[in-house]
Amino acid sequence: GAGVSQSPRYKVAKRGRDVALRCDSISGHVTLYWYRQTLGQGSEVLTYSQSDAQRDKSGRPSGRFSAERPERSVSTLKIQRTEQGDSAVYLCASSLTTGSNQPQHFGDGTRLSIL
Amino acid sequence: KQEVTQIPAALSVPEGENLVLNCSFTDSAIYNLQWFRQDPGKGLTSLLLIQSSQREQTSGRLNASLDKSSGRSTLYIAASQPGDSATYLCAVQAGGFKTIFGAGTRLFVKA
Repeated sequence: GAGVSQSPRYKVAKRGRDVALRCDSISGHVTLYWYRQTLGQGSEVLTYSQSDAQRDKSGRPSGRFSAERPERSVSTLKIQRTEQGDSAVYLCASSLTTGSNQPQHFGDGTRLSIL
Repeated sequence: KQEVTQIPAALSVPEGENLVLNCSFTDSAIYNLQWFRQDPGKGLTSLLLIQSSQREQTSGRLNASLDKSSGRSTLYIAASQPGDSATYLCAVQAGGFKTIFGAGTRLFVKA
């Protein structure tokens, strides 16, 4: 497909476990973002990567979140030692370049539930 | 710290009505502002992107304006249709690729 694809669509995990969410971005897109969307806090950016950087710096809320980019158009968001507060929809987005005229294209998200 | 606010939080209008959604931001040092549409259980669909140097963008029945000095953007939807029912989000992107979203406006267009 031509759009951003995320898998799985739904994920249930026990608290304390590590989880990994996958994003296949649009071929040729350079910049890739991970967002978390919750009812109470809206949408917030977690990490982003530019070009072929394999590992992003962790974003909010803590170092438990990291993203790896094993291939240019693939990113994996890893959440370590999950907490119930991590339950949310995780959205991946990519843009062609870092230019200010480049819109972000979003996937449909992964709904994560931590028990 | 950049904060993005959207008003109203929810809006219900009859079909055919023109409407305006509002977005305000506290820091005018932005890279661009983007309006998205989100349907239930789906990701965000980009509607319009306005670069910081631009004043407005148009696409079909949609028109978005940007006034950086006052920290405001509006999304104008002409001749609304039931298919326009969705949540509309505005997001500002600042330096370092940081994107801040508003909480969204839930729009319901009645047939």
